[in-house]
Amino acid sequence: SAVISQKPSRDICQRGTSLTIQCQVDSQVTMMFWYRQQPGQSLTLIATANQGSEATYESGFVIDKFPISRPNLTFSTLTVSNMSPEDSSIYLCSARQGSLSYEQYFGPGTRLTVT
Amino acid sequence: AQSVTQLGSHVSVSEGALVLLRCNYSSSVPPYLFWYVQYPNQGLQLLLKYTTGATLVKGINGFEAEFKKSETSFHLTKPSAHMSDAAEYFCAVSKDTGRRALTFGSGTRLQVQP
Repeated sequence: SAVISQKPSRDICQRGTSLTIQCQVDSQVTMMFWYRQQPGQSLTLIATANQGSEATYESGFVIDKFPISRPNLTFSTLTVSNMSPEDSSIYLCSARQGSLSYEQYFGPGTRLTVT
Repeated sequence: AQSVTQLGSHVSVSEGALVLLRCNYSSSVPPYLFWYVQYPNQGLQLLLKYTTGATLVKGINGFEAEFKKSETSFHLTKPSAHMSDAAEYFCAVSKDTGRRALTFGSGTRLQVQP
C-alpha cells in the first residue's frame, strides 16, 4: 500500500488569502485525487490531478478557485484561493497505485479553518 | 451516475454485540464497492473491498461485507463490537473503468457502549 503525507496538517487562514496544500506519496502512483470533507459531512471529489497536464475538475469546482499541480508521479498540490469561511473543511489527498488497482489510499488530511 | 446511501447516520451498539452498518448503491455499470473507516482526526483507512469473485469479503479488524446484487446492498458486519471500533464508517462505489474515482455515502458514526 502507498503511504501518503500531507502538509500542513492544519491551518487557520484569513478570508481572502490562499493556502497551498502539499501531498507526497512514498511510491509512484497512477492516479491522485483531491477530496473535500466539510464539517460533519462526507467526502466530495474536487478533482483528479493528472501528471503533466491540467487537472480534471468535478462539477461545482473550478480551476481558478482550486488550482492543482502534479509535476511528477509522487507529488501534488492543491491551492485554495481567495478563501471564505465556506472553504473551512478537511482536504484529503488520495492515490491509486496501478492501472489495474482499485484501492485508493488516503492521506491524513489538512484541516482548514477560514476566519 | 453512481450513488451510495448509508442508512443511519448514527449507530450505537454495546461492546460484544453485533455491528451492522447498512449501505445501498446505485450504479449503471457493475460496481466496485468499498468500506472505509475514519478515526477522529485521521484520514481514511480501507477496511475491505468488493471487485469481482466471492460476494462475501473479509476485511481488517474482523469486519466483513456481503455484496448482494439483487438487493443492491453491501452491508458491513462484525460479530462482536470492540470499544476501538468507535469511528465513522463510509461506504463508497467506483466504476470499473476510467479514473475509478470514489463516490462516498454520507457516513455512519458507530458508537460502542461499554
